[in-house]
Parts: sequence; C-alpha cells; structure tokens
Amino acid sequence: GAVVSQHPSWVICKSGTSVKIECRSLDFQATTMFWYRQFPKQSLMLMATSNEGSKATYEQGVEKDKFLINHASLTLSTLTVTSAHPEDSSFYICSATETGRHEQYFGPGTRLTVT
Amino acid sequence: GDSVTQMEGPVTLSEEAFLTINCTYTATGYPSLFWYVQYPGEGLQLLLKATKADDKGSNKGFEATYRKETTSFHLEKGSVQVSDSAVYFCALSDLGGNKLVFGAGTILRVKS
Repeated sequence: GAVVSQHPSWVICKSGTSVKIECRSLDFQATTMFWYRQFPKQSLMLMATSNEGSKATYEQGVEKDKFLINHASLTLSTLTVTSAHPEDSSFYICSATETGRHEQYFGPGTRLTVT
Repeated sequence: GDSVTQMEGPVTLSEEAFLTINCTYTATGYPSLFWYVQYPGEGLQLLLKATKADDKGSNKGFEATYRKETTSFHLEKGSVQVSDSAVYFCALSDLGGNKLVFGAGTILRVKS
C-alpha cells in the first residue's frame, strides 16, 4: 500500500515552453502533497506544500508564478514549470501524506531537462 | 534554520561488512529524525525513525539512535548485503511533523 506515482518519469523540453508533472496517490487519499527539487549530489529541497482544495504554500525563494502547483483532488497534484529555462533542469520529486497521518510517501521522481 | 549533514559517499563495502553512515543535525527544539532509503528507479522509502532522545529506530537489520548530546543519528548495520546498495538520506522534521529537511544523501555500494 501507500504508493505514489509520478508522470512522466523523464521529460525533455525546449527553453520557453511549459511542462506539467503529475503526482498521484494510487491507493490512499492524500490531503497534503509536497514537491521537492533535487540537484545532482545534493539533498532534496522542499519547494512547496499543497493541500487539497487550497493554494499551495511555497518555500522562501521559490517563484510561485514559475512553479504552478494544483491539488484539485485527494489523489492528484500537478506541478507546472512555466517558461522553462536550462537552469530549471533538475529532478523533481513529490510526496504525499494520507489524511490524518504524518508519514510522507514518495514518488519515484521526474527528470526534467530543458534544452 | 534546521539542517542535516551526512557523510559523503560513495561508501563501498564488501558483503557482510559493518556499515556506519554518519548523520548530524542542527535544529531548534527536539525534532523527529528519520533515515530514508532510495533504491535505483524507486521513490524514497522510510527505513526507520526516532521521535525523542535516546530512542532507537530499527528495521531490516539497520538501526540508529537519537543522540541529543551529540546531535547525531548515525545509521548502522552489522552485516550488509548486495541488496542494501542504495542511496540513504538522513532527515529531520519540525515539531509540526510535516516539513522534512534532508541531508545530501549517501550512496552505498555493496560488492559480492
């Protein structure tokens, strides 16, 4: 149980385009989902926390207009990287917590490369 | 702010060797501490946790003790297997229990 999926697992896009990444909780309802970014050989950095049906809370230094997060249902959150640039290339990981619980379940990550 | 520092890898060991991955933290108050493992191609999985000082978390032969006096949470295993090859992340959570702060991760490679 407690499986989180991400789609796509990897994506290549051209500079200036937008990319949407999906995060789904497959067998539980996730009131809260988290989006992380991981640079090579560095730790996961929390980008934002999203609660179903409300606006995401972004960490300091994360551009909310660039990284659009939508959490419209209890099983799906999306991260859209708008007007992507090469410096946005990274590994994006989501996690989800089951309603009423604290443990985070992680997706396998999405590798974004912007050319 | 809160932070986690863990030893750099990769750590390469022979099967049945003893494993230690060091982890120290800086935090206000008394956070909960975690070790996560990421196998190739998979998401992070919680390996073990400890919520207060002197607690010992254990799972699958791995263990770690929450040491408040040294602000440490070192991961140990007495005899590693090839299947333990993965990336190990030390992390802490704030008092609210939601936000996780991760260390940089340590790659473990176990040779047969």
